Amino acid sequence: ILNVEQSPQSLHVQEGDSTNFTCSFPSSNFYALHWYRWETAKSPEALFVMTLNGDEKKKGRISATLNTKEGYSYLYIKGSQPEDSATYLCASRTTDSWGKLQFGAGTQVVVTP
Amino acid sequence: NAGVTQTPKFQVLKTGQSMTLQCAQDMNHEYMSWYRQDPGMGLRLIHYSVGAGITDQGEVPNGYNVSRSTTEDFPLRLLSAAPSQTSVYFCASSYSFGGPYEQYFGPGTRLTVT
Repeated sequence: ILNVEQSPQSLHVQEGDSTNFTCSFPSSNFYALHWYRWETAKSPEALFVMTLNGDEKKKGRISATLNTKEGYSYLYIKGSQPEDSATYLCASRTTDSWGKLQFGAGTQVVVTP
Repeated sequence: NAGVTQTPKFQVLKTGQSMTLQCAQDMNHEYMSWYRQDPGMGLRLIHYSVGAGITDQGEVPNGYNVSRSTTEDFPLRLLSAAPSQTSVYFCASSYSFGGPYEQYFGPGTRLTVT
């Protein structure tokens, strides 16, 4: 059972279009929310670590927002490019399972030219 | 810096065999962890360590042992391999246990148990 849920499971985007997807996580005892990008045949790479309610982070065309009170985060990709094709993972850390990062199953993004 | 390294990259075991997956990091990171990745399941934490000499169980620890005798190394031992342990295994590290630090992942070990 995954307490961290990501939706949709996959999505196809035309090059140049913008897209977003969701990570839902337990709001109680929240400590941090991580986003990772995982390209095929590579290792996951960190995009953002977010801790504060209302936090917004940006890296190039990718940005994320955080709502700790309702337990969700959005990841946005603006003007998608083929190199954005990857699985995007989110992971939650709570204060009552301190050393443990719980991952969602990921959203697979395919950007077609 | 090599970052996080894992060996081997691929391994095939027969049921009942034992083996050790190696993980090392050269970033002087305090926190290290092992995950397994199965289709539709995301990354599941097996064991983690918050420093040399200190380890603890994650979500799916059964069938696996770890130790952390040095800051750099965090091997994962499969005691008696079972087909259910067929998976891709990732080792990860982060700067400290006590803060919201990103994790750095190794390249993974693809294990098949027949």
